Amino acid sequence: DSGVTQTPKHLITATGQRVTLRCSPRSGDLSVYWYQQSLDQGLQFLIQYYNGEERAKGNILERFSAQQFPDLHSELNLSSLELGDSALYFCASSPPGGPNQPQHFGDGTRLSIL
Amino acid sequence: DAKTTQPNSMESNEEEPVHLPCNHSTISGTDYIHWYRQLPSQGPEYVIHGLTSNVNNRMASLAIAEDRKSSTLILHRATLRDAAVYYCIGGVDSNYQLIWGAGTKLIIKP
Repeated sequence: DSGVTQTPKHLITATGQRVTLRCSPRSGDLSVYWYQQSLDQGLQFLIQYYNGEERAKGNILERFSAQQFPDLHSELNLSSLELGDSALYFCASSPPGGPNQPQHFGDGTRLSIL
Repeated sequence: DAKTTQPNSMESNEEEPVHLPCNHSTISGTDYIHWYRQLPSQGPEYVIHGLTSNVNNRMASLAIAEDRKSSTLILHRATLRDAAVYYCIGGVDSNYQLIWGAGTKLIIKP
């Protein structure tokens, strides 16, 4: 158990819809990262938050947005969903200390767009 | 462009050592080398990380080349449960994000 909790585990929705994925980081971790993993692909970094502030952006589409709340949980919002958005979405957290701190991953949310 | 490269796949026999290579020729002097693995239907799991010296933990060993342009993850005695995709991370990019390799799929033969 990594200590990172992601909900829901599975999400099935239709094109054009909007969904929210939730992540609770490990106790004590201030950074939260979001990654996308399409079928049989590697991890694509989307966005990082540190203590409530956006720290870095990767290949995140404009239709996607995220935030980190004062209790440090984070949400990833995906809107105007397309078939190509079907993927596993992982959240990871890490303690203070910069990018060389190990990241701990949740079990992911599997998003299926019909 | 900074890059981390790994072989697509490797095979090994059960109970034999496995050496997983990684090239990270653009790594800076202060960036760590990390390894993660992803078991089927799970999120990535931290394995090991190091800066210059070789590192050991209960899961694996990490051998880092003297020039730090390459590293090798060593599983001393592979079991069927070690079958996974192993990701090497060789430094950070201009966004301070980890430079993930594409991963090596490790197949363990009984």
